Amino acid sequence: AQKITQTQPGMFVQEKEAVTLDCTYDTSDQSYGLFWYKQPSSGEMIFLIYQGSYDEQNATEGRYSLNFQKARKSANLVISASQLGDSAMYFCAMREGALTIRGSTLGRLYFGRGTQLTVWP
Amino acid sequence: DGGITQSPKYLFRKEGQNVTLSCEQNLNHDAMYWYRQDPGQGLRLIYYSQIVNDFQKGDIAEGYSVSREKKESFPLTVTSAQKNPTAFYLCACLGSSEAFFGQGTRLTVV
Repeated sequence: AQKITQTQPGMFVQEKEAVTLDCTYDTSDQSYGLFWYKQPSSGEMIFLIYQGSYDEQNATEGRYSLNFQKARKSANLVISASQLGDSAMYFCAMREGALTIRGSTLGRLYFGRGTQLTVWP
Repeated sequence: DGGITQSPKYLFRKEGQNVTLSCEQNLNHDAMYWYRQDPGQGLRLIYYSQIVNDFQKGDIAEGYSVSREKKESFPLTVTSAQKNPTAFYLCACLGSSEAFFGQGTRLTVV
């Protein structure tokens, strides 16, 4: 079974509109972390947002928010007021098997297949 | 500035050759990862290491090897046994609430 599932290969949104990118995950761990990354055509991985499994509030970072529904194992990314520069591939990721030793975080890091977002004027 | 550095950015390999991709970090993180990305695809885990002198295979380890002699360094060797090595390779290290990535190495077999 896939650890991270992103069911939308491609999404289109008009500039200034909001868009939701879906992500579901599979884990039996109680402690895990969820991440979203943006990858433009240059290939660099840009960190957007993080949600810990024990965080009760949904994470927000500027125009990005993470809709965390723990019981449904869902961690959707919401981008508000889309901009042309948001066009990129977006990846959902999960850190599982988390362990902290000497203040250092360990664990295996899984990625989904990604969603290609296109913002049109 | 703290960060993670991959080199080279572009690498060309002749068939039958081994090549080594460098990954260095000065963020003092223990966990490091190597991923392979094919065009239009997600990231597939090759190897990861959670402590010096220890590493584990990921989902596609065949044809690759790694070492972790120092906390800061996690080089990946693409061996001649890897039949289709042309891809984009990303190295990462894991912090408490963010995974930090290098800029990637594009490997092409010529």
